[in-house]
Amino acid sequence: NAGVTQTPKFRVLKTGQSMTLLCAQDMNHEYMYWYRQDPGMGLRLIHYSVGEGTTAKGEVPDGYNVSRLKKQNFLLGLESAAPSQTSVYFCASSPHNMNTEAFFGQGTRLTVV
Amino acid sequence: GDSVTQMEGPVTLSEEAFLTINCTYTATGYPSLFWYVQYPGEGLQLLLKATKADDKGSNKGFEATYRKETTSFHLEKGSVQVSDSAVYFCALTESGNTPLVFGKGTRLSVIA
Repeated sequence: NAGVTQTPKFRVLKTGQSMTLLCAQDMNHEYMYWYRQDPGMGLRLIHYSVGEGTTAKGEVPDGYNVSRLKKQNFLLGLESAAPSQTSVYFCASSPHNMNTEAFFGQGTRLTVV
Repeated sequence: GDSVTQMEGPVTLSEEAFLTINCTYTATGYPSLFWYVQYPGEGLQLLLKATKADDKGSNKGFEATYRKETTSFHLEKGSVQVSDSAVYFCALTESGNTPLVFGKGTRLSVIA
């Protein structure tokens, strides 16, 4: 009963380092999303995908790249981490229609020092 | 663009008190409205939703009614429990094919 799984759960990076966050879902959902959660800011959309091989920018895409090579996986990359990217990152997925429920992973807490 | 405004928190209530968390929205069309809940250390999970005007969503004793005339979707519960302590997010999606837009969240603490 996995649902949406994010790896890693915690990570500390030095400024300028790169890393990839992995999101995997086993529900055969078409849509996948990456959000970041910051105190007092709620959740802000970074990038999203409406299907395998597609990606689109959200509200705060700068400094991030994404790929959806397989339907079940959605990767979020940071090419050169900055302290402003310290945040909790959430991946989510939903079926064809967004009027239905979105399922969230448990989050990745990233600290950039 | 679309936006969601929630009341500022934190909200602290005694057990069995009545809860209201205000949510208003701005949208160009006819959005679907949602309340999500985030328990400590977890991701968000859907609490309830309403997809058209005057619909009432309900779950676990929580209710919210889609009010188009006031562009509101206030969350209510008649008697809160300690286990309801969490962060509550109001959200909308415009057409069903656009990503969720979230409010900033309201932290609720219920004390025994």
